[in-house]
Amino acid sequence: EIVLTQSPATLSLSPGERATLSCRASQSVSRYLAWYQFKPGQAPRLLIYDASNRATGIPARFTGSGSGTDFTLTINGLEPEDFAVYYCQQRSSLLTFGGGTKVEIK
Amino acid sequence: QLQLQESGPGLVKPSETLSLTCSVSDGSITSSFYYWGWIRQPPGKGLEWIGNIYYSGSTYYNPSLGSRVSIAVDTSKNQFSLKVSSVTAADTAVYYCARQRGYSYGWIDYWGQGTLVTVSS
Repeated sequence: EIVLTQSPATLSLSPGERATLSCRASQSVSRYLAWYQFKPGQAPRLLIYDASNRATGIPARFTGSGSGTDFTLTINGLEPEDFAVYYCQQRSSLLTFGGGTKVEIK
Repeated sequence: QLQLQESGPGLVKPSETLSLTCSVSDGSITSSFYYWGWIRQPPGKGLEWIGNIYYSGSTYYNPSLGSRVSIAVDTSKNQFSLKVSSVTAADTAVYYCARQRGYSYGWIDYWGQGTLVTVSS
């Protein structure tokens, strides 16, 4: 099973700042990696797929990068609605998820 | 905008069968190239993909769950369902239904809001 490790577990930032989230795979997943946003009481949302493609309707401030085993989700200029939990997920071998990064208001 | 809504009992007794239904609206479950799946998240733990189904009935399951899981589709009702047999406290989780696109292991482009199922006597 491919294990995804996300860091940091929690990121404390202010609105307007840049968030940099990391996801590391236990073996190469090529570019088969996605990022999701989870908010309480809401349906989770697909942000990025295939490492760097923004899903429909996702603002340009969300950027995904990486390949192989190291991936990054960058949120440029945090908006109030961006404070949430973010998960990475791979589909190179079955589907597995990372442990999540909580982006909280500082 | 496609919407998915989970429904079913919020409390199940140990050793019994957990049954959930996902209703799909504003879209057809028979659309080509989409798979309909389930994901769960135990309290304080990570997300686990359970499996999915194509409208034709083809199913794909996470091997870690063994033979306790079954997913079915009802195209006449635009619904699909999940059954987990012989449940234990370890099956307590928020269960999400979702749409996966393109492949049996495709990206999850729509999710339900999730429903908490507690296994307890």
